[in-house]
Amino acid sequence: AQSVTQPDIHITVSEGASLELRCNYSYGATPYLFWYVQSPGQGLQLLLKYFSGDTLVQGIKGFEAEFKRSQSSFNLRKPSVHWSDAAEYFCAVGAPGGSYIPTFGRGTSLIVHP
Amino acid sequence: GAGVSQSPSNKVTEKGKDVELRCDPISGHTALYWYRQSLGQGLEFLIYFQGNSAPDKSGLPSDRFSAERTGGSVSTLTIQRTQQEDSAVYLCASSLSWSEAYEQYFGPGTRLTVT
Repeated sequence: AQSVTQPDIHITVSEGASLELRCNYSYGATPYLFWYVQSPGQGLQLLLKYFSGDTLVQGIKGFEAEFKRSQSSFNLRKPSVHWSDAAEYFCAVGAPGGSYIPTFGRGTSLIVHP
Repeated sequence: GAGVSQSPSNKVTEKGKDVELRCDPISGHTALYWYRQSLGQGLEFLIYFQGNSAPDKSGLPSDRFSAERTGGSVSTLTIQRTQQEDSAVYLCASSLSWSEAYEQYFGPGTRLTVT
């Protein structure tokens, strides 16, 4: 079965600074990978997804993520953080050919200082 | 168009009472999913529906939990004899079909507090 780890429970950055949120997965082959964002009081919104092909994936709201097979990672990045990016971020992994339900990490809470 | 809606947004109940949580998916979405999000935890998958059928109920935490979906639309998650450990945010999501589960659209959730 697949699993996903988000090592950082909280991340604090200053507005305008760059951001990288870490995600590591465990799966025997190339998985499907996702990042979701949950703003306070809201449901989850899909930021970006990786199925195959180009390992650098562009998403909404200026986010991107890079799949690195050698490191079993799918880290989320943004060059310049805005105060409105403060939210909970979830990495998720899916198994091609298996259950279509992704497995979610525990989330990383992003705090943005002005 | 309208997104996934859930009601109530907040529910406070006494231990031992039954509660019903409602989810109204996006129109035309045949697949519907329920998750539980406990404080500091990730999303725990509970159950999914393809149409009105729930092929796999093994994710439900106990037999106090049940869910149904009628008319291929609205779904209700029922928790009987609530316990304090049931306190969590219950999220509902929908997708065009089961095979599109990776493209789920989530509702805002119902925050359940059991006192």
